[in-house]
Amino acid sequence: NAGVTQTPKFQVLKTGQSMTLQCAQDMNHEYMSWYRQDPGMGLRLIHYSVGAGITDQGEVPNGYNVSRSTTEDFPLRLLSAAPSQTSVYFCASRAERQGAPAFFGQGTRLTVV
Amino acid sequence: QQQVKQSPQSLIVQKGGISIINCAYENTAFDYFPWYQQFPGKGPALLIAIRPDVSEKKEGRFTISFNKSAKQFSLHIMDSQPGDSATYFCAASINDMRFGAGTRLTVKP
Repeated sequence: NAGVTQTPKFQVLKTGQSMTLQCAQDMNHEYMSWYRQDPGMGLRLIHYSVGAGITDQGEVPNGYNVSRSTTEDFPLRLLSAAPSQTSVYFCASRAERQGAPAFFGQGTRLTVV
Repeated sequence: QQQVKQSPQSLIVQKGGISIINCAYENTAFDYFPWYQQFPGKGPALLIAIRPDVSEKKEGRFTISFNKSAKQFSLHIMDSQPGDSATYFCAASINDMRFGAGTRLTVKP
């Protein structure tokens, strides 16, 4: 059981480039989320989805796009990378029921130069 | 505006001591309050969680105390061990999950 898989693990981008961070889960979870982790700021929610075809913005959505065409996949797109998007990105998934725990991927460390 | 406020930012405890981390939340609609543990280079992993209809939950050396009227909850780590050294995050959720800023715990041998 792979759980939540994120790719790539590391990425360096130049300012203005675009890229997609991939996230896949094999637990048939309805809820999926993207977070960024920055020193002293914890995990901040970027976007989340409560099911295929449904997405919503979190605390820091600017500069990021998401889509959810299948239950398993929830890619995060950086449209035009900026140095302020240098961070560690985590994808998480959880079941829909109340009190369901979130399972996290191993993270993607992104550096924008 | 951060919906979950966590303190302290860092904590140093001697082996065998008690580690206490506190969190406060704003939104009374939150219905699930987990704590996550994160080691360097890894994703956060669920440690223990509580629902708002319970005032305390204990799992081994880890206890959550929950005060619904004060909108506060805390994590107590009894008999802290060097292997507990990690970053701890409190969180609160309805559909999405919001996290505190984290506490870096160091347990000295």
